[in-house]
Amino acid sequence: GQQLNQSPQSMFIQEGEDVSMNCTSSSIFNTWLWYKQDPGEGPVLLIALYKAGELTSNGRLTAQFGITRKDSFLNISASIPSDVGIYFCATMNYGGSQGNLIFGKGTKLSVKP
Amino acid sequence: EAGVAQSPRYKIIEKRQSVAFWCNPISGHATLYWYQQILGQGPKLLIQFQNNGVVDDSQLPKDRFSAERLKGVDSTLKIQPAKLEDSAVYLCASSRTGGKGYTFGSGTRLTVV
Repeated sequence: GQQLNQSPQSMFIQEGEDVSMNCTSSSIFNTWLWYKQDPGEGPVLLIALYKAGELTSNGRLTAQFGITRKDSFLNISASIPSDVGIYFCATMNYGGSQGNLIFGKGTKLSVKP
Repeated sequence: EAGVAQSPRYKIIEKRQSVAFWCNPISGHATLYWYQQILGQGPKLLIQFQNNGVVDDSQLPKDRFSAERLKGVDSTLKIQPAKLEDSAVYLCASSRTGGKGYTFGSGTRLTVV
């Protein structure tokens, strides 16, 4: 089946540092999504990308839809303790049905004050 | 707007027992999804409903898992009999037609001992 390869698997950084993570696939997708999941909660959408080459920001978060449509990147600037959590990339699977999501395995972010 | 409601939040059962989870989607959301999230992994789709019809259940282990959405609103996911490998968080999500407004519930954490 389709797989999303997310890296790094985990990150431990100092408060104030910038963070970069990425997601790659062997398949082409038309939508890339970035979610954050806090312990005991469901994933919450951070940024949605719908166009190759698109760069979108949401506060300190910036995400880009790769030109090849096989990858995406998420950057967090000036990290703060509440950025702690697991970040997932996801794409929307249109094959056979509409709207269900395929997720990567996540990047666990830890921030040291 | 109220979010996606799920219950119970936690459940511990012995293997071979049965268990059921309940989900109430956001009002007006025609599409409802059940995802399974094993520890250290991203969510994986089990089943997708459009109103009260099944759109995609290709990844649902039908020998032990069943789901229904009889009146096109709330939904129940059942496991009978449970296995140790079913230990996971079961997430419900809902969206408007076409995947817009996609929102996850907080999930039910199942532990099978």
